[in-house]
Amino acid sequence: DTEVTQTPKHLVMGMTNKKSLKCEQHMGHRAMYWYKQKAKKPPELMFVYSYEKLSINESVPSRFSPECPNSSLLNLHLHALQPEDSALYLCASSQGQSGQPQHFGDGTRLSIL
Amino acid sequence: AQSVAQPEDQVNVAEGNPLTVKCTYSVSGNPYLFWYVQYPNRGLQFLLKYITGDNLVKGSYGFEAEFNKSQTSFHLKKPSALVSDSALYFCAVRDPLGSNYQLIWGAGTKLIIKP
Repeated sequence: DTEVTQTPKHLVMGMTNKKSLKCEQHMGHRAMYWYKQKAKKPPELMFVYSYEKLSINESVPSRFSPECPNSSLLNLHLHALQPEDSALYLCASSQGQSGQPQHFGDGTRLSIL
Repeated sequence: AQSVAQPEDQVNVAEGNPLTVKCTYSVSGNPYLFWYVQYPNRGLQFLLKYITGDNLVKGSYGFEAEFNKSQTSFHLKKPSALVSDSALYFCAVRDPLGSNYQLIWGAGTKLIIKP
């Protein structure tokens, strides 16, 4: 069983909808990540939070809005998405120190109609 | 430029035979190297890492990897493949001169184990 929990597992939304993806970890990790993954491709880093502060934004369009309410939770708010945003969205966490592995959730499969 | 290469899109192995999934890297300084596996409809699972020390690293599910500094390689190996090892495998490296959080990923190798 994965130690990073993501909800929902699947999400279908129209281009005018607003929805949120949620991620939770209870490993005491201080860094949390959002990735986007297309089929059979490596994950692409979107955002990193370190100690609940946004540390990295990889030039992600503003229709994606991350939020870190506390050290265990990470949200990704979605608004006015495009069909090309359909993908698997993965959350990960790590201790943050150099050399520590990232632990991934099973992702939310997002489809934009 | 920093990069990671997985030269094989797909590797086919018969069950019970040894398997190797190849990874080479190009980064400045001493790299931190990782292998992850992704089963269908799942997230990525960490298998093993090399930071320093013994060049042969042992990880989960009977996998191991050998770090070769002169060949800048970090190939994943298993002595006897199982059908359940069939999955997508990613090699990744953290640039020691970059952020703690950013990994450079290989393109992935699909491993197919045939009964």
